[in-house]
Order: sequence, then C-alpha cells, then structure tokens
Amino acid sequence: QKEVEQNSGPLSVPEGAIASLNCTYSDRGSQSFFWYRQYSGKSPELIMFIYSNGDKEDGRFTAQLNKASQYVSLLIRDSQPSDSATYLCAVNRAGTALIFGKGTTLSVSS
Amino acid sequence: EPEVTQTPSHQVTQMGQEVILRCVPISNHLYFYWYRQILGQKVEFLVSFYNNEISEKSEIFDDQFSVERPDGSNFTLKIRSTKLEDSAMYFCASRSSGGPSEQYFGPGTRLTVT
Repeated sequence: QKEVEQNSGPLSVPEGAIASLNCTYSDRGSQSFFWYRQYSGKSPELIMFIYSNGDKEDGRFTAQLNKASQYVSLLIRDSQPSDSATYLCAVNRAGTALIFGKGTTLSVSS
Repeated sequence: EPEVTQTPSHQVTQMGQEVILRCVPISNHLYFYWYRQILGQKVEFLVSFYNNEISEKSEIFDDQFSVERPDGSNFTLKIRSTKLEDSAMYFCASRSSGGPSEQYFGPGTRLTVT
C-alpha cells in the first residue's frame, strides 16, 4: 500500500516567520513530488513540484527532496496570514495517479 | 491563464439516482483524472483517462462509475446508482504530457446524496 504521511498540525507560526512542512512517502519508485495548497471548501492548487534531489526555490517557497530518506519538505518564508491553509503533499510515478497525504494545516497569525 | 472547469458546482441527489459530473480540461491537455475528497479526509484517486480509454483506476472506481469523453472538450463522470457514501467533493484534473508533469485541478463538484 503506497502511503504519504504528513503531520496534520495545526502548525502555527507568526507573520513573517518561516513555516516548515514535512512529508514522507513509502513508494521508493516515486518520481514526482508536489505540494498543493487547499483552502477550506476549495480545490487543491498546485504551488510547487520537484523531480530531483535537492532544493527548488520559487519566490517565498522552497521544496526540498531527499529520495534516499523518502522525504519531501516545503519551506514558506515570510509567512503571511493569506498562507493559512491546508498543504497537501502528493507523489506519483511518472504520469500515474497522485497519492495524497492528509495534509498539514498551517495557521499564520498577524 | 487556462483552467479546468467543472459543472455543476453543487449537486444534490437522492440515493439510487444517476448523476453526471462534467469537466472541461485545459484545452491542450491529454490526460484526465477524477479524484474525490470525502469531508475531512484526504484526496483519493478514482480514475485516469488517456486516448479515449481508462489508463488506471482505483478500487473505489467500481461498476457504479463510468467515464466518458463525449466530444473534444468535455470529460464526464457518471455514477449510476448513488449511495449515501458517495457524498463528497469530486475533482477533475488534467495534465499536458507523458512522463513527469503537473496535474491541475478544477474547482470541484460537491455531491450530496440524501
């Protein structure tokens, strides 16, 4: 059974701080790794993807992948109240169905 | 920016009725997916579709479910005889190419079975 595990939170950070979200996965054959943001009652919105070991930066977001440890993380710098949402980690083998974690709820206080 | 659209946004139906959920994927995308999310639970894969046939399906996607691409733009999910446990948000997603590529989700249809 392919699993993606995330701490459900809530993760609470003050405005301007760095939020660190973590995810582990069980399928060693996973090739693609995604972070989606989901506001309550809305659909998942893709914010980052990473395919290779190491770091990938996009604005305030940095995704980190360590395939040997089967670990993916998302860092959000200068967190804003508008970043308050549930962050979903998803993985797949190339082109196949996404396997989602349950998500981590992030709360950024002003 | 192109986006996936879904209709209706909310569907209420009685147990045992048939429902059809509609999706218009991003126009140059070739791979289409249906996922569902029961309230408070994680997003679960139902089925993927490519080149006019199902390419992958989950255990959830039993004989009560079917998918179709009736024309060049629409992608539909039919549930033949709805059950109370089918109540969920249903998301359509699409992606452009083979190999690793990102899936983009539509806004979802909230299905309520009474």
